[in-house]
Amino acid sequence: ETGVTQTPRHLVMGMTNKKSLKCEQHLGHNAMYWYKQSAKKPLELMFVYSLEERVENNSVPSRFSPECPNSSHLFLHLHTLQPEDSALYLCASSSSRTSGPKYFGPGTRLLVL
Amino acid sequence: SQQGEEDPQALSIQEGENATMNCSYKTSINNLQWYRQNSGRGLVHLILIRSNEREKHSGRLRVTLDTSKKSSSLLITASRAADTASYFCATGANSKLTFGKGITLSVRP
Repeated sequence: ETGVTQTPRHLVMGMTNKKSLKCEQHLGHNAMYWYKQSAKKPLELMFVYSLEERVENNSVPSRFSPECPNSSHLFLHLHTLQPEDSALYLCASSSSRTSGPKYFGPGTRLLVL
Repeated sequence: SQQGEEDPQALSIQEGENATMNCSYKTSINNLQWYRQNSGRGLVHLILIRSNEREKHSGRLRVTLDTSKKSSSLLITASRAADTASYFCATGANSKLTFGKGITLSVRP
């Protein structure tokens, strides 16, 4: 275990649903990340939060909405997703964003029908 | 792009053998990192090598970096079945790491 937890581990949703992914770390880290991992594609950075402030938004569609209420929690709110959004969504954290992601959660396997 | 590209895409070896995986990149870097991902799990950070370093060791892992060839290699010595995983190299600065597609390593018992 890396100290980064994600829930749920698996999620199936329809294109009209609204759901949220949750990430939690109690490592005292100040930076948290969302990555998307699709089959046969490199890991794609979606969002970076540093000290609860969004510092990176990598041209992610607005149907993905991140939220960082405090330094230990990170959410990814999903609405009106497309089937091509099906992927493994990974959360990561690090002591500071200058070091890049160091600890990853196990991911949420998302299937959009 | 600073994206790393790993080679080979897949590697299958016998337990006890050494596994060598390579990563090439296109532009100058400050450091290069290697990660491991077990099936269906998150990535685990293995090692970071800085641009002024040529070689780094961590247990059974040995990483080399040749900035003149813009390449790095990850060597796993005396492999074990538990080393079966995907391995990624990542380059870039700060939070802007870019990952390769990964190498799938299978270690047969």
